[in-house]
Amino acid sequence: DVKVTQSSRYLVKRTGEKVFLECVQDMDHENMFWYRQDPGLGLRLIYFSYDVKMKEKGDIPEGYSVSREKKERFSLILESASTNQTSMYLCASSPELASSTDTQYFGPGTRLTVL
Amino acid sequence: AQSVTQLDSQVPVFEEAPVELRCNYSSSVSVYLFWYVQYPNQGLQLLLKYLSGSTLVKGINGFEAEFNKSQTSFHLRKPSVHISDTAEYFCAVIIQGAQKLVFGQGTRLTINP
Repeated sequence: DVKVTQSSRYLVKRTGEKVFLECVQDMDHENMFWYRQDPGLGLRLIYFSYDVKMKEKGDIPEGYSVSREKKERFSLILESASTNQTSMYLCASSPELASSTDTQYFGPGTRLTVL
Repeated sequence: AQSVTQLDSQVPVFEEAPVELRCNYSSSVSVYLFWYVQYPNQGLQLLLKYLSGSTLVKGINGFEAEFNKSQTSFHLRKPSVHISDTAEYFCAVIIQGAQKLVFGQGTRLTINP
């Protein structure tokens, strides 16, 4: 079974803090994704990566950055957290490079609250 | 750009009743279509996907969906729901050749005994 793990299920941070959300997948997948999930808005793509050290902006990259130093690990960074970044963050991975047909496998999510 | 609309934000049904969750998409090019399910306090998992071929797609847990190109719809159905089907359901679309899934807003399915 594919396993995608996220470092925290719940996180509370203060405005202005630098926040790291970590995601690890154990199936040697090429692609990794970060989404945020908000009620009534579904999932929106923040960033994705199709290879180590490669990244592409998604639909809402402002206020976020990412890092992929190793194939299995994809980190989402909030440089200076703000209250409007309070949300559920979901990480996903998929097997093949540049394949539109792949299933994405999701982690359990990190619920981030910024006070 | 493609977009996905899930017409119902919440659908309450009684146990053993049939259910249909509606999904419409807009795209000027060919797409692949997906339904994902999110059980309480979990991540998303794939229910089914349409890539090509038969327009009726069967998925896990007794769900099926029908691709209707003329109506640009991909509605999800189950003939008889169970309490364990209580979850949020997401329709998603991806342009053929692209890598970015676009998700709908989600439909929360609540099963009443």
